[in-house]
Amino acid sequence: KQEVTQIPAALSVPEGENLVLNCSFTDSAIYNLQWFRQDPGKGLTSLLLIQSSQREQTSGRLNASLDKSSGRSTLYIAASQPGDSATYLCAVTGGGNKLTFGTGTQLKVEL
Amino acid sequence: DVKVTQSSRYLVKRTGEKVFLECVQDMDHENMFWYRQDPGLGLRLIYFSYDVKMKEKGDIPEGYSVSREKKERFSLILESASTNQTSMYLCASSPDRVGKNIQYFGAGTRLSVL
Repeated sequence: KQEVTQIPAALSVPEGENLVLNCSFTDSAIYNLQWFRQDPGKGLTSLLLIQSSQREQTSGRLNASLDKSSGRSTLYIAASQPGDSATYLCAVTGGGNKLTFGTGTQLKVEL
Repeated sequence: DVKVTQSSRYLVKRTGEKVFLECVQDMDHENMFWYRQDPGLGLRLIYFSYDVKMKEKGDIPEGYSVSREKKERFSLILESASTNQTSMYLCASSPDRVGKNIQYFGAGTRLSVL
């Protein structure tokens, strides 16, 4: 059974700092990996999707990498802003378009 | 923009009531999903559907059923609500295209069962 772990569970950084969020998964037979953002009391917004054949994806200040063989992904956020404060979730897709989620990293960017 | 709409943001029900959670998507997506989200447990898949009238059990289907009579609508049913079903419920949809299966989520329904 696939298990997805995210470390750290919570992170607080000063504005402007570059930061890395980590995601690991136990079964490397994945179709793709997604990073989501969730604001308090809200649904999820997809940030980046990395196919299993890809190594990284970039969108603005976000860069996600994937090392499928070692079961790891990182989300790099450059020049963090208070508006980046949210919970970040990673999820891997197995058969049947089913996602398995990590429990998330709660990020707070302080002024 | 893809829109996934959940009919209620907050619901309060009593133990034993039959509860319907409704989800509608406007992008003609084939796949629809129901999750519940609990602190420390993350999101867990309850049921999903890849076509009208088709359904598959997820990881925690016990105590739930679903209905998909039309492509755009996917309903989650709690036959007899219990207090351990108090949770945040999230609906999602995705197209059935290889490599393009980004899931789009609704805003969630926070259900309290008293």
